[in-house]
Amino acid sequence: QSVLTQPPSASGTPGQRVTISCSGSSSNIGSNSVNWYQQFPGTAPKLLIYSNSQRPSGVPDRFSGSKSGTSASLAISGLQSEDEAEYFCAAWDDGLNGPGVFGEGTKLTVL
Amino acid sequence: EVRLEESGGGLVRPGGSLRLSCAASGFTFDTYSMNWVRQAPGKGLEWVSSITSGSSFIYYADSVEGRFTISRDNAKNSLYLQMNSLRAEDTAVYYCARVRSRELDYWGQGTLVTVSP
Repeated sequence: QSVLTQPPSASGTPGQRVTISCSGSSSNIGSNSVNWYQQFPGTAPKLLIYSNSQRPSGVPDRFSGSKSGTSASLAISGLQSEDEAEYFCAAWDDGLNGPGVFGEGTKLTVL
Repeated sequence: EVRLEESGGGLVRPGGSLRLSCAASGFTFDTYSMNWVRQAPGKGLEWVSSITSGSSFIYYADSVEGRFTISRDNAKNSLYLQMNSLRAEDTAVYYCARVRSRELDYWGQGTLVTVSP
C-alpha cells in the first residue's frame, strides 16, 4: 500500500486542462517537496516536475505542479494526445527508513 | 549525455540470488547518490535502496532489508544490487536512478528480474 494516494485514472479531451492529485501526510508531503514522474508503457519513468513546481529543461510549460499542506497537484493544460501516460508523485518521508515514497500512479487517457 | 545502463536481470528460482549492475556515464558518478527503484508487472513504482556518493549512508525498503545489498564502485562508475533469498514478490523491472537533490533526475532503461520455480 503506497503512502501517497493518487486517483487510479484521469481523462480529458485535447485542449482541456486536467489535474492529478496526490495526497500524503505531515511526514512526507507536509514536510518535503514533491516530484512528479511521467511514464509511457514499456519505458522508464522521466522526471517531469521537481521541488513542487519546477520543470526540468525540455519539459513543456503546459505541465505545472503545486503543493498545499499535505497534498500536491499536477496540472496539464492544453492537453495533447502524446500526454497519455502514467503519472507518479513522489516525496521524501521523514518517518520511513529511506528517502523515497511514491504514489500509486494515475493513468491519464486523452479521449 | 547522462547514461545509466542496467544489466544482470533474468529468471531465478525462489531462494536464489542475482546481482544487478548499473553502468553510469556522462557525469561525475562519485558526486551523486544513487537509487534502485523497482516496478512489478502492471504495478506502481517502489523505492528499493539508496546509497550516498561515498557509500556512507545506505538505506533499504523494509521489504528487502536483510536480503538485498546495495554497493558502488566509484572507480568503475558502477552501482550494484546483490539480491539474495529472492521471492516471487521480487519479480519486477529494476531501475537504477541518479539522485540530484531529492529527485531522481535520470533513470536507466531497467532490467527485468523474474522469480519463478
